[in-house]
Amino acid sequence: DAEITQSPRHKITETGRQVTLACHQTWNHNNMFWYRQDLGHGLRLIHYSYGVQDTNKGEVSDGYSVSRSNTEDLPLTLESAASSQTSVYFCASRDRDQETQYFGPGTRLLVL
Amino acid sequence: AQKVTQAQTEISVVEKEDVTLDCVYETRDTTYYLFWYKQPPSGELVFLIRRNSFDEQNEISGRYSWNFQKSTSSFNFTITASQVVDSAVYFCALSERGGSEKLVFGKGTKLTVNP
Repeated sequence: DAEITQSPRHKITETGRQVTLACHQTWNHNNMFWYRQDLGHGLRLIHYSYGVQDTNKGEVSDGYSVSRSNTEDLPLTLESAASSQTSVYFCASRDRDQETQYFGPGTRLLVL
Repeated sequence: AQKVTQAQTEISVVEKEDVTLDCVYETRDTTYYLFWYKQPPSGELVFLIRRNSFDEQNEISGRYSWNFQKSTSSFNFTITASQVVDSAVYFCALSERGGSEKLVFGKGTKLTVNP
């Protein structure tokens, strides 16, 4: 079955380190998204991509970057992790026909 | 700008009670989509329903029903005869057409169904 996966599921890192969170989908969706979920804020958009070589900033993009070299993957990089980036990160891909985003299982990141 | 408001932060009910989760949205677009997602304690986000702005028909799926009213910019979600397994955080979300298709989420309503 087609799916969307994220790795790692849990990550502990130190302030200042570079961290990359992986997102992989097998639906062949062109549109992919990264969100972060924080208590009291719901989910907020970090970056998104409409296809290979396309990336765009979302609402809370500072300190994050993405790259899209193929359809299946949209890795999210924290250039220099900060404690404020402790959060749960969700990747999503969008089924264009159904106009619906489907989410990965999430990555819980703790920055110490 | 788009905005989704879920005024109810937490709701607690007893099993078999009916419960309605409110969602009010703001958008300048005439074409948009509304969604509900469920986040159970295990943490994943589960898609429940999508509604486009041209379809104001209410929808029922088992114990779940949705009431979409453009006149009040609301897309409310009712669970009939609630069960403990319905305990979760429920998110309402909005996406606009016109090239964005990004989701803007409400802050969620935490529903606890007690036995």
